[in-house]
Amino acid sequence: NAGVTQTPKFQVLKTGQSMTLQCAQDMNHEYMSWYRQDPGMGLRLIHYSVGAGITDQGEVPNGYNVSRSTTEDFPLRLLSAAPSQTSVYFCASSYLRTGGGYGYTFGSGTRLTVV
Amino acid sequence: AQKITQTQPGMFVQEKEAVTLDCTYDTSDQSYGLFWYKQPSSGEMIFLIYQGSYDEQNATEGRYSLNFQKARKSANLVISASQLGDSAMYFCAMRDKLNTDKLIFGTGTRLQVFP
Repeated sequence: NAGVTQTPKFQVLKTGQSMTLQCAQDMNHEYMSWYRQDPGMGLRLIHYSVGAGITDQGEVPNGYNVSRSTTEDFPLRLLSAAPSQTSVYFCASSYLRTGGGYGYTFGSGTRLTVV
Repeated sequence: AQKITQTQPGMFVQEKEAVTLDCTYDTSDQSYGLFWYKQPSSGEMIFLIYQGSYDEQNATEGRYSLNFQKARKSANLVISASQLGDSAMYFCAMRDKLNTDKLIFGTGTRLQVFP
């Protein structure tokens, strides 16, 4: 059981390049989400999905695109990378906890640098 | 607006002593969940403990307990018998709306455990 798998772990991009951060989970969780973590801050939500074919914006969606064609995969696309997108990106999936409420499983993160 | 406040940027504790990390939250929702995560220097997000807003008892998970004071909107994390391996960043987070998948994070507290 791999949990939430993110690739790549590290990436350097030039300004204006595009790329896709991959996220896959094998726990059959309906909810998936992407967060970014900047120095000295907690995680902030970029986009989330409550099921295949359904996505919505979070707190900081500009410059990012997502789609959810399967339950397992939730890729994050940077359309035209900017230095302000230098950050650590976390993918998460969430599940209904026994006894109520939701739990979250996070991937190990992708450290992205835009130069 | 929903918000998580962690007022302690850094805390020190001696090994084997207990430590309390503070967290206050702001929400107008009646149903919400509160989380604590640990982030060691390796960067992964490790789930520690969860408290639902309707849970009557404070949550406990091994050496971790959550001091939940609903009227004061506080959810402090208590770590008993600190260990050197507890040195890390600790984040308080809240999920407040049933129909979205949004975790709101505080800015974190860096805990350092010394021998």
